[in-house]
Amino acid sequence: DTEVTQTPKHLVMGMTNKKSLKCEQHMGHRAMYWYKQKAKKPPELMFVYSYEKLSINESVPSRFSPECPNSSLLNLHLHALQPEDSALYLCASSQDQGRTEAFFGQGTRLTVV
Amino acid sequence: AQSVTQPDIHITVSEGASLELRCNYSYGATPYLFWYVQSPGQGLQLLLKYFSGDTLVQGIKGFEAEFKRSQSSFNLRKPSVHWSDAAEYFCAVRTSGTYKYIFGTGTRLKVLA
Repeated sequence: DTEVTQTPKHLVMGMTNKKSLKCEQHMGHRAMYWYKQKAKKPPELMFVYSYEKLSINESVPSRFSPECPNSSLLNLHLHALQPEDSALYLCASSQDQGRTEAFFGQGTRLTVV
Repeated sequence: AQSVTQPDIHITVSEGASLELRCNYSYGATPYLFWYVQSPGQGLQLLLKYFSGDTLVQGIKGFEAEFKRSQSSFNLRKPSVHWSDAAEYFCAVRTSGTYKYIFGTGTRLKVLA
């Protein structure tokens, strides 16, 4: 099973709403990632969790709050977003920092209105 | 700083024709190299990877790539393109001991029937 599952697939939220994106993997991977991808652009790294601890935060605004409840789950809590935050949010996982590739989920298409 | 360059933003080929997508990277040591494919609105699917060893690597869907250290390149090839190969292709690099995947800007492939 090389699947990373993201829910929901689509999300529309107002600027005052609070919502969460969820990501799950059962490959035993110890690193999990959140990426943001705007149209016709490459993915941009937001956060990395390694062994359930936040390892990298790419200076992401605090209206995005990641959480890693356990080794299989990764959440991204959203609050007071702006329309420019509308994008495809991708979750990925990898075994570790060594000779390993990242597996990506199908993404959540977020629209902020 | 590490970087990945994909010189071709768009490429159009006829179905059945051969394909080569270019990727150049800038990094001091041998990086880990990847090619991902993304269909519209979807996540990224790993086509192939290079860590070390044989410089010609085979991937899924009939793709292959060749690592050329002297040219800092990792070009993707396919001998005969199918209409279903139309998608965005991203080259990515990661260094051992880090979690950061650096993506190129992508090449959008169009396949003519």
